[in-house]
Amino acid sequence: DSGVTQTPKHLITATGQRVTLRCSPRSGDLSVYWYQQSLDQGLQFLIQYYNGEERAKGNILERFSAQQFPDLHSELNLSSLELGDSALYFCASSVGGTSGHNEQFFGPGTRLTVL
Amino acid sequence: GDSVTQMEGPVTLSEEAFLTINCTYTATGYPSLFWYVQYPGEGLQLLLKATKADDKGSNKGFEATYRKETTSFHLEKGSVQVSDSAVYFCALSDHGGGSNYKLTFGKGTLLTVNP
Repeated sequence: DSGVTQTPKHLITATGQRVTLRCSPRSGDLSVYWYQQSLDQGLQFLIQYYNGEERAKGNILERFSAQQFPDLHSELNLSSLELGDSALYFCASSVGGTSGHNEQFFGPGTRLTVL
Repeated sequence: GDSVTQMEGPVTLSEEAFLTINCTYTATGYPSLFWYVQYPGEGLQLLLKATKADDKGSNKGFEATYRKETTSFHLEKGSVQVSDSAVYFCALSDHGGGSNYKLTFGKGTLLTVNP
């Protein structure tokens, strides 16, 4: 158990809908990262938050957004869903955003299926 | 930009065989290098890491040496077990500047070990 929790574990929805994925980082970790894992694109970085502020963006679509709350949990919002958004979405956390040495601890993921 | 190339497999071995999974990288700064493992239905777990040239990371019988001259970080294990069956990801975190320490992943290598 990494200490990172993600809910829900599975999500099935229809095209055009909007969903929210939730992540709680390990106790004491200030950085939260979101990644998407799909068969064709592999594991891709979406966005990073550090202590409530957006730190970096990767290959995140404009239909997707995220935020980190004062209690440090994070939510990833996916809207106007398309079939191609079906994937595993992972959240990871680390101690801080000041070193690339810091290990990132991954949650179990949310499997999103868009029908 | 940063990139990681690893042998995609799948790799099928008999128990007690020697394992090598090749990984090479391209980075603009001075990356830290990681191997993550993903067991079926689970999130990613850090297997080992190395943060500077010539460092050797090791864990659970697995080893990898950070080779700056060949930009490589090959994963090895002398004697694999059935329980090592999983997908292995090589990754880098570039801390040459800025504050984004996202992980850039290879495409993953599926390892199956038969008894």
